[in-house]
Amino acid sequence: GAVVSQHPSWVICKSGTSVKIECRSLDFQATTMFWYRQFPKQSLMLMATSNEGSKATYEQGVEKDKFLINHASLTLSTLTVTSAHPEDSSFYICSAPAWTGATDTQYFGPGTRLTVL
Amino acid sequence: AQSVTQLDSQVPVFEEAPVELRCNYSSSVSVYLFWYVQYPNQGLQLLLKYLSGSTLVKGINGFEAEFNKSQTSFHLRKPSVHISDTAEYFCAVSVKAAGNKLTFGGGTRVLVKP
Repeated sequence: GAVVSQHPSWVICKSGTSVKIECRSLDFQATTMFWYRQFPKQSLMLMATSNEGSKATYEQGVEKDKFLINHASLTLSTLTVTSAHPEDSSFYICSAPAWTGATDTQYFGPGTRLTVL
Repeated sequence: AQSVTQLDSQVPVFEEAPVELRCNYSSSVSVYLFWYVQYPNQGLQLLLKYLSGSTLVKGINGFEAEFNKSQTSFHLRKPSVHISDTAEYFCAVSVKAAGNKLTFGGGTRVLVKP
């Protein structure tokens, strides 16, 4: 099956600093990738759709200036949390769709746990 | 817009017993249906999916699900669970017209007891 990786798997940073998270599709190309946020014991909340070669599409209520998304190539999307604060601490997961005959199937990365002190 | 409801937030079950996780969805158009499993501190792994055809879908790890269009349901079952099945399970739908974005249910936490 398709494999998606994320780096780093966990990160701890000080309040006010920026953190970059990478999402890579390892064995397929993805013109679109998705970024999710998950709070403890909750479901995934879609933050934005990353589009290769164009601007990301953000879901309602997500600050685009705070969560910068860059889809640099067909296999790499990055999420940068700028001026991070403790409330940004969360589990961030990306996904990339791979065509499976009738529709795209989303394959998920292992997630990145961000802790802001 | 689509919505997904997982009727049980937690399901305790004894090892080797059967389990059923309920999922109902709402959509004005045809949907594709998915079940994902999430182990602690990990991403989501696809268990199975329904795209078309036979309404009974078999997935990995002995799981299966049945699509019922009239009841707008996609319940997940396993006849005999193992301790290793302890995890969070998410039901999700996607719609081609919506760019194949996934809409998730709230999740069901399965706790398998020895």
